[in-house]
Amino acid sequence: EDQVTQSPEALRLQEGESSSLNCSYTVSGLRGLFWYRQDPGKGPEFLFTLYSAGEEKEKERLKATLTKKESFLHITAPKPEDSATYLCAVRANSGYALNFGKGTSLLVTP
Amino acid sequence: DGGITQSPKYLFRKEGQNVTLSCEQNLNHDAMYWYRQDPGQGLRLIYYSQIVNDFQKGDIAEGYSVSREKKESFPLTVTSAQKNPTAFYLCASGLAGVYNEQFFGPGTRLTVL
Repeated sequence: EDQVTQSPEALRLQEGESSSLNCSYTVSGLRGLFWYRQDPGKGPEFLFTLYSAGEEKEKERLKATLTKKESFLHITAPKPEDSATYLCAVRANSGYALNFGKGTSLLVTP
Repeated sequence: DGGITQSPKYLFRKEGQNVTLSCEQNLNHDAMYWYRQDPGQGLRLIYYSQIVNDFQKGDIAEGYSVSREKKESFPLTVTSAQKNPTAFYLCASGLAGVYNEQFFGPGTRLTVL
């Protein structure tokens, strides 16, 4: 069965304190790993897609990386506006659906 | 502006009533999806459609129904058969195919009174 596990569940950082969020997955045939940002009461906002091990993508203070078993979302010098829940999802050979993890709730304090 | 719209933003339903949630997109996407989000759980797929007049059940389709008569629209009906309908409902769309991203609307929060 395809599984996606995100850790930690919650993370509190001081402004400027860099860290990483983890997304571990087990799927049969990865057809993409997706990162989203979700603010309270809103729909997820697409951030990145990674397709193969070794791939990296960056956007402002965020950098996503992918191995055969996990993905990391690195946050460099975060600001309070980076506070949100970050969701990881995978699509497997089994179909069109995205299989989501439960998310990491990030709080960045001034 | 291109995007995905969902209405209403908040919806209250009495037990035993059917309600329909609207989802419209003007991104010219072929594929559309409905997810349900509950506190402490990941998003779960209810239904999806890769083309007009065709749709498939997701993991938790029981108690829900959909239609796809137009490319731009994918309404979701929550029927009285859905035992625990209170949740945050998210519609998404994307290009057809298994490698493409999905883009989400703002969501509808349904509460059963």
